[in-house]
Amino acid sequence: AQTVTQSQPEMSVQEAETVTLSCTYDTSESNYYLFWYKQPPSRQMILVIRQEAYKQQNATENRFSVNFQKAAKSFSLKISDSQLGDTAMYFCAFMKEKDYGGSQGNLIFGKGTKLSVKP
Amino acid sequence: DAGVIQSPRHEVTEMGQEVTLRCKPISGHNSLFWYRQTMMRGLELLIYFNNNVPIDDSGMPEDRFSAKMPNASFSTLKIQPSEPRDSAVYFCASSFYRGRYGYTFGSGTRLTVV
Repeated sequence: AQTVTQSQPEMSVQEAETVTLSCTYDTSESNYYLFWYKQPPSRQMILVIRQEAYKQQNATENRFSVNFQKAAKSFSLKISDSQLGDTAMYFCAFMKEKDYGGSQGNLIFGKGTKLSVKP
Repeated sequence: DAGVIQSPRHEVTEMGQEVTLRCKPISGHNSLFWYRQTMMRGLELLIYFNNNVPIDDSGMPEDRFSAKMPNASFSTLKIQPSEPRDSAVYFCASSFYRGRYGYTFGSGTRLTVV
């Protein structure tokens, strides 16, 4: 079974600075997808960024980027120029690729990291 | 598109009562998921549907929980009878088949059973 571990329950960062959130996962699959979701106090789950395991290039979405280390099974999220609106819970998630004739992989979430951006 | 729509946003009920949570997925998405979020257990998948057919309900905690998807635009999650330990936020999410691009979540229903 796949597991996702986020070892930092809480983090804080000053506005305009950079912060990195850690995520590791355990799987025997070779094809899979990784995601970071943001959950602000409104509780809406918002997709921040995704990475395909077979792509070596790290994904980037504006101020958000990832450091994907497949061999180490590590998938960290870097937030540059942190803004007050980045204050939220951040969840790392894993999904295996659907096998031919098999069932679809499901999103498996870590426990989350609570990020506070301070003015 | 209005996104995934869940109702109600909040529900407070007494132990033993029946509770029904509703979800309208994004038009064109053919997979639908029900998740439960608690402080202790985080986000857990309860059940998911592909093309309105339940595929995996192994996450449904017990027989008190049931879910249906009578058509591509509507799903319900029912708890009967409800218990205080069912108190949680329940999320519905939808995706294109295989979910490669991630799921789109609704805003959730906060259920409190007293």
